[in-house]
Amino acid sequence: EIVMTQSPATLSVSPGERATLSCRASQSVSSNLAWYQQKPGQAPRLLIYGASTRATDVPARFSGSGSGTEFTLTISSLQSEDFAVYYCQQHNRAFGGGTKVEIK
Amino acid sequence: QVQLVESGGGVVQPGRSLRLSCAASGFTFSSSTMHWVRQAPGKGLEWVAVISYDGSNKYYADSVKGRFTISRDNSQNTLFLQMNSLRGEDTAVYYCARGNTGIDCWGQGTLVTVSS
Repeated sequence: EIVMTQSPATLSVSPGERATLSCRASQSVSSNLAWYQQKPGQAPRLLIYGASTRATDVPARFSGSGSGTEFTLTISSLQSEDFAVYYCQQHNRAFGGGTKVEIK
Repeated sequence: QVQLVESGGGVVQPGRSLRLSCAASGFTFSSSTMHWVRQAPGKGLEWVAVISYDGSNKYYADSVKGRFTISRDNSQNTLFLQMNSLRGEDTAVYYCARGNTGIDCWGQGTLVTVSS
């Protein structure tokens, strides 16, 4: 079973700043990687699939990159609604432990 | 609109069984890969199981393999999760979800509490 590891666990960022979240797979998952956003009391929302393709209605400030075992989610300029927990997932398999993006 | 509605959650004693259901509507269920994903209180997401559109392929997380069974009835647009030999660590909100390249639709979740 491939293990997905996210870092950091918590990221403190000021509104308007850039946020960079990392996800590492224990073995190659090619480009089969998705990113999700989850806010308290809500189901997750798909942001990115195929490592770099934005899902429907996802703002352009969200971008994904990487392949193999190293992946990055970048939020170019944090808005108030972006403070949440973010998860990566190998398509159809395990999730990472999550990164909480909080207001600095 | 696309909708997934879970049912069947509740309080169950350790070692007992429970069956979750998920009613799908608003999309072609019989063409969709379906998942169960769970989230323990205050914890992260844990993928549980996936089933192919026709039920021919099923995969499970190591933590539930041999205890849980995912199945579907395409004639009734319904997804199931049979959970046997339940443990305290199975306590979580269980989400029914759709997706192949990423999960793009989630239910509201049903809470399963395993406790004596």
